[in-house]
Amino acid sequence: AQRVTQPEKLLSVFKGAPVELKCNYSYSGSPELFWYVQYSRQRLQLLLRHISRESIKGFTADLNKGETSFHLKKPFAQEEDSAMYYCALMDYGQNFVFGPGTRLSVLP
Amino acid sequence: EPEVTQTPSHQVTQMGQEVILRCVPISNHLYFYWYRQILGQKVEFLVSFYNNEISEKSEIFDDQFSVERPDGSNFTLKIRSTKLEDSAMYFCASSYSGGFSSTDTQYFGPGTRLTVL
Repeated sequence: AQRVTQPEKLLSVFKGAPVELKCNYSYSGSPELFWYVQYSRQRLQLLLRHISRESIKGFTADLNKGETSFHLKKPFAQEEDSAMYYCALMDYGQNFVFGPGTRLSVLP
Repeated sequence: EPEVTQTPSHQVTQMGQEVILRCVPISNHLYFYWYRQILGQKVEFLVSFYNNEISEKSEIFDDQFSVERPDGSNFTLKIRSTKLEDSAMYFCASSYSGGFSSTDTQYFGPGTRLTVL
């Protein structure tokens, strides 16, 4: 069965420090992976998807099929990056399987 | 930019009562979804809907749940007889292509917090 894990519930970093939010998945087919972000009191919004290989707000994520990972990275964290981050996998039915989320707290 | 909207933002109900959660998807979208998030837990898929019928549903989506697109704009989730464990945030989402396009995704509403007493 498809599954997405995010081992860290909470990640705290100082402003300007690099940040890496971990995501691992299990899926029998060819995965399509996403990162969604939820800022305080706002809706879930797409941050990036692996297929587009883009950088959004300085964040990047590379799909590593060998390690079944899709870690989210940013070289210099900003305070406005503080939010809940969800890794998600789109399954064969085009429905999302979400990870449990990681709360990123960027300290001044 | 068009957004998915949901009403109400917070619904309080007594156990055993029926509730209807409403969503207005983005107007040219064709695929519609409901997810829920119990407090402190992950977002879970409930159901997807396309061409006026359910495409997929999860184990959570039992006979107590139903969805409907009563007109051209609304997409509703009905819980027939609410239980305490139905208390959660319910998110509606919509997409144009259902994921078949690499430039498309699901757009989420702000959620309805359902509290069952």
